[in-house]
Amino acid sequence: GESVGLHLPTLSVQEGDNSIINCAYSNSASDYFIWYKQESGKGPQFIIDIRSNMDKRQGQRVTVLLNKTVKHLSLQIAATQPGDSAVYFCAENSGTGGFKTIFGAGTRLFVKA
Amino acid sequence: GAVVSQHPSWVICKSGTSVKIECRSLDFQATTMFWYRQFPKQSLMLMATSNEGSKATYEQGVEKDKFLINHASLTLSTLTVTSAHPEDSSFYICSAPATGQGGYTFGSGTRLTVV
Repeated sequence: GESVGLHLPTLSVQEGDNSIINCAYSNSASDYFIWYKQESGKGPQFIIDIRSNMDKRQGQRVTVLLNKTVKHLSLQIAATQPGDSAVYFCAENSGTGGFKTIFGAGTRLFVKA
Repeated sequence: GAVVSQHPSWVICKSGTSVKIECRSLDFQATTMFWYRQFPKQSLMLMATSNEGSKATYEQGVEKDKFLINHASLTLSTLTVTSAHPEDSSFYICSAPATGQGGYTFGSGTRLTVV
């Protein structure tokens, strides 16, 4: 299967601070991008998505930014809370290949109380 | 919201035996389901796409005779790991296109340990 990267970088932030998690995607033809949160021993949970015709989308406490020129995604979490501690994955979909989702390497977020 | 129920949540089996993992879409129909494998501290690797009523599509490098996928109904897809070996020990997760939200809905995963 495909994947973007094999490392699991970590990000440590203080409770209440903002977090920014970055992701580089691989396929310039991808037209739909999703951020997922995965807690230990569980399946990924949907956080927010964005289509390629947008460059920014906001949700509750989260914002996704898309830069197609450099194939970069970021997830911003405002006022990070201990419950936000998890591994965050970006994922990309393209119209080819049956709309399968390819996951990025993931970032582990630690929130210090 | 859309829920995918995955069972079992964990299983320990002896080397050489087969293990079946089930994923059910509880409140929606899933013509397509995706199966992933995740090793510790790594990302999810797509193994195959399961299509209701037809053969699954496997990713490059995934042995279709070892990882048997059946999607006989619109609410059930199964993954059978045949002749399991310790290197097959992993976290297996299924997903289906979500309804009513973005992205895909994931099962809770199955931790397979082959001893």
